[in-house]
Amino acid sequence: AQSVTQPDIHITVSEGASLELRCNYSYGATPYLFWYVQSPGQGLQLLLKYFSGDTLVQGIKGFEAEFKRSQSSFNLRKPSVHWSDAAEYFCAVALYTGTASKLTFGTGTRLQVTL
Amino acid sequence: DTGVSQDPRHKITKRGQNVTFRCDPISEHNRLYWYRQTLGQGPEFLTYFQNEAQLEKSRLLSDRFSAERPKGSFSTLEIQRTEQGDSAMYLCASSYGRESDGYTFGSGTRLTVV
Repeated sequence: AQSVTQPDIHITVSEGASLELRCNYSYGATPYLFWYVQSPGQGLQLLLKYFSGDTLVQGIKGFEAEFKRSQSSFNLRKPSVHWSDAAEYFCAVALYTGTASKLTFGTGTRLQVTL
Repeated sequence: DTGVSQDPRHKITKRGQNVTFRCDPISEHNRLYWYRQTLGQGPEFLTYFQNEAQLEKSRLLSDRFSAERPKGSFSTLEIQRTEQGDSAMYLCASSYGRESDGYTFGSGTRLTVV
């Protein structure tokens, strides 16, 4: 069965510092990969997605992610974090089951930003 | 495009009561999904509709749960005889039909069973 691992439950960074959130997946082929952000009590907002082509994808809010097939990873990065980036971040993969694609999420990484 | 709307945003109910949630997807999206998210966890898939047909259900969806999507537009998720373990955020998502399009999520309905 496919799975998504986000090894860091909680990360704290200073405002202006760089950020990297880790995501590893287990799947037989290259899945569709997504990063979502969730503010407290809110739904999920799509940051970026990868399904083919250039392995470095750009997203909203200055985020980017790099797909590395050899490492089964899809890490999220941001060069300079802003206080408003504090939220929960979820990595997800989409698996086509024959009827539809459905998302499998990691357990999330909570980002805290210190001023 | 007004996004995915969910109603209510919050619901507090007593154990044993029935509750119903509504999801209005983006109008041109033919796929609709329900997910459940418990505290400290990522969302978990519950069920999926393509138009009005419910094509897949998770084992998480016990017989107390039922979902409908009449006419392929809005969807409802009903939980009968609620239990404290049903307390969670229930998220609805919709998509146009291609995996590469991604999924648009609503803001969710937070259910608390007391």
